[in-house]
Amino acid sequence: DTGVSQNPRHKITKRGQNVTFRCDPISEHNRLYWYRQTLGQGPEFLTYFQNEAQLEKSRLLSDRFSAERPKGSFSTLEIQRTEQGDSAMYLCASSPDRVSSQPQHFGDGTRLSIL
Amino acid sequence: QKEVEQDPGPLSVPEGAIVSLNCTYSNSAFQYFMWYRQYSRKGPELLMYTYSSGNKEDGRFTAQVDKSSKYISLFIRDSQPSDSATYLCAMSEVDSSYKLIFGSGTRLLVRP
Repeated sequence: DTGVSQNPRHKITKRGQNVTFRCDPISEHNRLYWYRQTLGQGPEFLTYFQNEAQLEKSRLLSDRFSAERPKGSFSTLEIQRTEQGDSAMYLCASSPDRVSSQPQHFGDGTRLSIL
Repeated sequence: QKEVEQDPGPLSVPEGAIVSLNCTYSNSAFQYFMWYRQYSRKGPELLMYTYSSGNKEDGRFTAQVDKSSKYISLFIRDSQPSDSATYLCAMSEVDSSYKLIFGSGTRLLVRP
């Protein structure tokens, strides 16, 4: 049983650099979500894909953030010109279309540290 | 005020105790309620999932939803040291995205 896979697990970068994270959802899960979690807080919703279409974005997702899901499979989240405040755990989750039967399952996240 | 409130703890109990974890919420449109367990440096792991009001039991875990009071609970029976983790409640509306709104998590420590 392959769960949600995220890479890299940890990314350390200097302020101002660009970073990209990858998420591979559970096979055949059409819905894919990105969340951000800071220390001592619960995850906060960033954006949602239904297949390849990005259907909802949080106001937390500034114009420095961009997410894609080409061909409705894996997804990438890019942060341009990183800032100290971007340091967080970035979590990906997926679920099937029939949400009533199965909720979101999460990957182990990518921990971003900005020097 | 946050949409979902959860006592951060930490909550420390002896092994074998019954643990009660709770969340309150303000949005009456929430219909799906979940409990996730999160170990340090890992992603949230789904424990329980309920729709609307009522109780659900799975092994040592029981989830309760009281929509009239906007209050949900998770009970852990016969707690084990391996249950030591942060417990997150999460909720969603029935809308196009079903995005989750989380509480801030309660840290639980089960002492051997």
